Amino acid sequence: DAGVTQSPTHLIKTRGQQVTLRCSPKSGHDTVSWYQQALGQGPQFIFQYYEEEERQRGNFPDRFSGHQFPNYSSELNVNALLLGDSALYLCASRRRYRGTGGADYGYTFGSGTRLTVV
Amino acid sequence: AQKVTQAQTEISVVEKEDVTLDCVYETRDTTYYLFWYKQPPSGELVFLIRRNSFDEQNEISGRYSWNFQKSTSSFNFTITASQVVDSAVYFCALSPLGNTGKLIFGQGTTLQVKP
Repeated sequence: DAGVTQSPTHLIKTRGQQVTLRCSPKSGHDTVSWYQQALGQGPQFIFQYYEEEERQRGNFPDRFSGHQFPNYSSELNVNALLLGDSALYLCASRRRYRGTGGADYGYTFGSGTRLTVV
Repeated sequence: AQKVTQAQTEISVVEKEDVTLDCVYETRDTTYYLFWYKQPPSGELVFLIRRNSFDEQNEISGRYSWNFQKSTSSFNFTITASQVVDSAVYFCALSPLGNTGKLIFGQGTTLQVKP
């Protein structure tokens, strides 16, 4: 059973360019969250998607946008890249809690995409 | 405001020593979840434990144990008889109870276990 799959694993971009990162959630999961992890820091929440809509957003500018597809996979887009966007971008998926017993808060993380902006 | 503080940036121990990683959190919520994750060099965050704020029972899983004290807002993690394979970055995280994907992470503690 595949876990969370992210692509590409590494990426180098130039300042001002745009980038798209991709995430396939774990089988059975319908909710995807994206995190940015700068070197030596803890992951920072970017946003969460379920039912193909952005549901919650962290403190990130509008240059960061996303999308969720009907098969629950997701993309993270970053426009007008800055040097400070260099980081490990992590995707996490889970099955959304639906109000019954046995709530599943088991976030499964991918190995991330290492983005370097030069 | 919600915040997680891991005051220990780096810890170095010799194999077979016991080591405790500290975690202090801040939240105004009365219900919440606390987590510990391990991040090996590969980058993937590996889930270790989840506790909800209603359950203050300490938990033991093999060489791992967790001490949750709501009175001091702490959720510390102890590894007994550490091994080289325990070397990694460990993160404590907080999440409101409910249908949200937001985990609030601490800065992480880098644990180095030397043979």
